[in-house]
Amino acid sequence: AQKITQTQPGMFVQEKEAVTLDCTYDTSDPSYGLFWYKQPSSGEMIFLIYQGSYDQQNATEGRYSLNFQKARKSANLVISASQLGDSAMYFCAMREGWSTDKLIFGTGTRLQVFP
Amino acid sequence: ETGVTQTPRHLVMGMTNKKSLKCEQHLGHNAMYWYKQSAKKPLELMFVYNFKEQTENNSVPSRFSPECPNSSHLFLHLHTLQPEDSALYLCASSPRDSQDSPLHFGNGTRLTVT
Repeated sequence: AQKITQTQPGMFVQEKEAVTLDCTYDTSDPSYGLFWYKQPSSGEMIFLIYQGSYDQQNATEGRYSLNFQKARKSANLVISASQLGDSAMYFCAMREGWSTDKLIFGTGTRLQVFP
Repeated sequence: ETGVTQTPRHLVMGMTNKKSLKCEQHLGHNAMYWYKQSAKKPLELMFVYNFKEQTENNSVPSRFSPECPNSSHLFLHLHTLQPEDSALYLCASSPRDSQDSPLHFGNGTRLTVT
């Protein structure tokens, strides 16, 4: 079974609008970390935001926020006020356990922002 | 110089060639990683090094041979590759190998095996 599922292969959003990218995860470990990365066409993976499984509040970083619903095992990324430069691939990832080597990625969502 | 630097950016090699990918990080991190990114597939973890010691080998074929001479440098030696090995190879580092440490990635090496 897939550990990280991103069901949206592609999303379109108009500039200045908000967009939500979906991510669900599967783990039986009570301790885990969730990450979102952005990959522009240049190839570099850029870290955006982190949410720990014990964090009481949803993580926020500037225009990025993470809608963490633990019971539903979802960690959706919300981008507010989209910009043309937000067009990229977005990956959700998870680390299980407190000290682990593996960061497991989903298949990604391609976001395109249009004027 | 800061961040994670990978060289070369692009590499085309025949199946009988031997080549190496290089990764260098100037972030003072202790853990380094190789990932493979193929089209329409999730990133695949290949190798992990913690304090120069290999802690993860994710069932990678022996035609891929990693080397970590120190905590700032990581190599991936390639020999007798197959066309299906064509992919983007990403190097990453993290401050310590724990749950809340994000990985910092390089720009990747786009490998084409002919």
